[in-house]
Amino acid sequence: RKEVEQDPGPFNVPEGATVAFNCTYSNSASQSFFWYRQDCRKEPKLLMSVYSSGNEDGRFTAQLNRASQYISLLIRDSKLSDSATYLCVVSSAGSTLTFGKGTMLLVSP
Amino acid sequence: DADVTQTPRNRITKTGKRIMLECSQTKGHDRMYWYRQDPGLGLRLIYYSFDVKDINKGEISDGYSVSRQAQAKFSLSLESAIPNQTALYFCATSSFGTGVTGELFFGEGSRLTVL
Repeated sequence: RKEVEQDPGPFNVPEGATVAFNCTYSNSASQSFFWYRQDCRKEPKLLMSVYSSGNEDGRFTAQLNRASQYISLLIRDSKLSDSATYLCVVSSAGSTLTFGKGTMLLVSP
Repeated sequence: DADVTQTPRNRITKTGKRIMLECSQTKGHDRMYWYRQDPGLGLRLIYYSFDVKDINKGEISDGYSVSRQAQAKFSLSLESAIPNQTALYFCATSSFGTGVTGELFFGEGSRLTVL
């Protein structure tokens, strides 16, 4: 089983739609969880951390279910500028981060 | 100017050649990383360094070596490049344990093609 698994997509949605990305991780000892965003041909950038209590940043909501080892990202009212690849990221042994392969989102007019 | 600078940004080379990718940072971070990204495989950690005297292998270190010349500089070498090392390489930095803030700061990437 891969350490961090994501649906590769692409997810094609119209502007204004709500879209959810899911991610599972295999290491039950992982302590920290994040979503990164990567635009085409660009470097990844931190989008938001994921806390056990769930957290929201504007149109973005992240959830963590430790028992199921499952992380989610919800984007409401999608914008054209949300088109990107979303990377699920989990802390690993040695204080490094393990990245999922990413889920591509395409928002169309 | 970028906080994390990678050179070269693009390189085409031939099988068997020695290649060095360089990374320098102005963020003052102790921790530096080299990742490679391949279509369908995502980002994979090659090597990382938590300070000048510390070097650690990542998930896919075979065929690569690194040098941490100073706090601000971390270079990746391919001693004898092979075609399956064709990829997009990213250098990244962090201020301390990534488990605390989770924020890695990436360079713009170095696209390497090995013919």
